[in-house]
Amino acid sequence: GAVVSQHPSRVICKSGTSVKIECRSLDFQATTMFWYRQFPKQSLMLMATSNEGSKATYEQGVEKDKFLINHASLTLSTLTVTSAHPEDSSFYICSAKGTGRTQYFGPGTRLLVL
Amino acid sequence: AQSVTQLGSHVSVSEGALVLLRCNYSSSVPPYLFWYVQYPNQGLQLLLKYTTGATLVKGINGFEAEFKKSETSFHLTKPSAHMSDAAEYFCAVTRGGLSGGYQKVTFGTGTKLQVIP
Repeated sequence: GAVVSQHPSRVICKSGTSVKIECRSLDFQATTMFWYRQFPKQSLMLMATSNEGSKATYEQGVEKDKFLINHASLTLSTLTVTSAHPEDSSFYICSAKGTGRTQYFGPGTRLLVL
Repeated sequence: AQSVTQLGSHVSVSEGALVLLRCNYSSSVPPYLFWYVQYPNQGLQLLLKYTTGATLVKGINGFEAEFKKSETSFHLTKPSAHMSDAAEYFCAVTRGGLSGGYQKVTFGTGTKLQVIP
């Protein structure tokens, strides 16, 4: 149980384009979903927290107009990186939690912006 | 405020040897504590967690951790390392003791475990 999927697992795009990453909780309803960014050899940096049907809460320093988050249902959240630039290249990981305190993580999405 | 310190960004052990990954936390209220494992180019997998009750927590793949309030520690151990244990391990803390709502999880900087044949 508690499986979270992400799609795509890897994406390469040109600078200036937008990229959408999907995060799904497959076997439970996620009251809250989280988006993290992980730089090489570093820990996870929380970007934003989203609750179903409401606006995401962004961490300090994260541009909400750059990283659009939509949490349309209890099993799906999307992160759209708008007008991507090479410095946005990173490993993006989502996680989801139900009614408990434990977060369950997706497999991550490797974004490379050329 | 809460924080996590993982001592040693890299740990090397021989196959079959004891694995000990250290984690110390700081929290103003009783914590919930987690250990996650990350394999290359993958997300994080929950190894084990402490919320309340028994302070020695057993997880998957033969790992266990002991919550020691007096030492503010939650070290991860495994009696005998396998090659497949080579990965990065993250300790995390969140506030415990509350009935609901989201409490931010703070992650440590990670410890990369190398297992030598």
